[in-house]
Order: sequence, then structure tokens, then C-alpha cells
Amino acid sequence: TQLLEQSPQFLSIQEGENLTVYCNSSSVFSSLQWYRQEPGEGPVLLVTVVTGGEVKKLKRLTFQFGDARKDSSLHITAAQPGDTGLYLCAGTYNQGGKLIFGQGTELSVKP
Amino acid sequence: EPEVTQTPSHQVTQMGQEVILRCVPISNHLYFYWYRQILGQKVEFLVSFYNNEISEKSEIFDDQFSVERPDGSNFTLKIRSTKLEDSAMYFCASKWGDSFNSPQHFGDGTRLSIL
Repeated sequence: TQLLEQSPQFLSIQEGENLTVYCNSSSVFSSLQWYRQEPGEGPVLLVTVVTGGEVKKLKRLTFQFGDARKDSSLHITAAQPGDTGLYLCAGTYNQGGKLIFGQGTELSVKP
Repeated sequence: EPEVTQTPSHQVTQMGQEVILRCVPISNHLYFYWYRQILGQKVEFLVSFYNNEISEKSEIFDDQFSVERPDGSNFTLKIRSTKLEDSAMYFCASKWGDSFNSPQHFGDGTRLSIL
């Protein structure tokens, strides 16, 4: 069974601080997506990473896929209150296949 | 931007009743999925659907569940005889191709409450 463990589960920081969220597995994933989910809404895609060692940037967000494709991280620089939300990592190991989700990181950025 | 739409947004049903959750995937997408999220828990995979047939299903997707693509636009999830433990958010997702670079896009979900 392939599992994704996300940490931390909860994170409360002040505006302007940096943070990193981790997504780890003992299994190799073919691709990994990061989503953001607001209360009462569906997950909204932030990024897809496919290649081991790949780094993608989305404004103040930096996503990295581990060299062995077993882990990923999301780093937010100078967090803002608008970054508050639930961040989910989800991986797939076959084309067209199901996503396996981590349990999510609930981020709260206080002004 | 094209989006996945789901109806209804909230469904309240008596235990034992049948319920149909509806989804309109993004129009040029070929792969379709249902997931559910019980309150406070992870998003869990239920079923994937491609080329008018189920490609994979989870242990949760037992004989009480079925999916259908009755026309070129809708994708439905039916629960034949609902149980209390079926209460959850149900998300539909779609993707255009089988490339690993083709991510799944999600609807806003249907909140199913079984009384």
C-alpha cells in the first residue's frame, strides 16, 4: 500500500515568516501534485512535478520533488494571510491512475 | 477557465435510499474519477473511469456503488442503498490524458448527509 505522510499537520505562523511543508513516502511516485483546498470547496491544483530533483516556482511558493521521487516539499517565502488554507500533496504511480493523498497541512498565517 | 462542475452541492438523504451525484467533467477530458472525504480525514479514491468502463476501484467501491457516463458530458456516481457511513464530501475529478504531466482537476464537491 502506497502512503503519503504530510508534515506538519498544523502550522500557525506570523505574516512574513517562511515555512516548509513536507510530503514523504516509502514508495516511488511517478508524479506528485500539490493542491490547495478552501473550506467547502474542492482541491485546486497548484503544481505537478514529474522528474526527480525537479524544482518549480509559483510566485512565493517553491515546490521540489525528491531525487528518488519518494518525497516532496513546498516552501513558502514571506507568508501572507492570503496563504492561509489546507495544502494537500497527492501522488500517482501509474498513468491515468488514482491519486493517493496526504492528510494535509492546515496553514494559518496571522497578520 | 474550464472547470469541473458538481450537483447538487448538498444532498440530504434517508438511510437506505438511493442517491445519484452528478458531475460535468471538463469537456475534452478523457479520464474521470470519484473521491470522497469524510470529515477530518484524507481524501480517498473511489473509482476511475476511462473509455466507458471502470479502470480501477477501491475497496470502498462495493456493490452498492456504480458509475455511469450516460451521455457525452455527464459522469454520475450512484449509491444504491445509503448507509450512515456514506456521509462525506464526494469529489469528481477529470484529466485530459494519461501523461504524468496531465493533472487531475477537481469539482467543488457534493456534501452527502445520510440521516
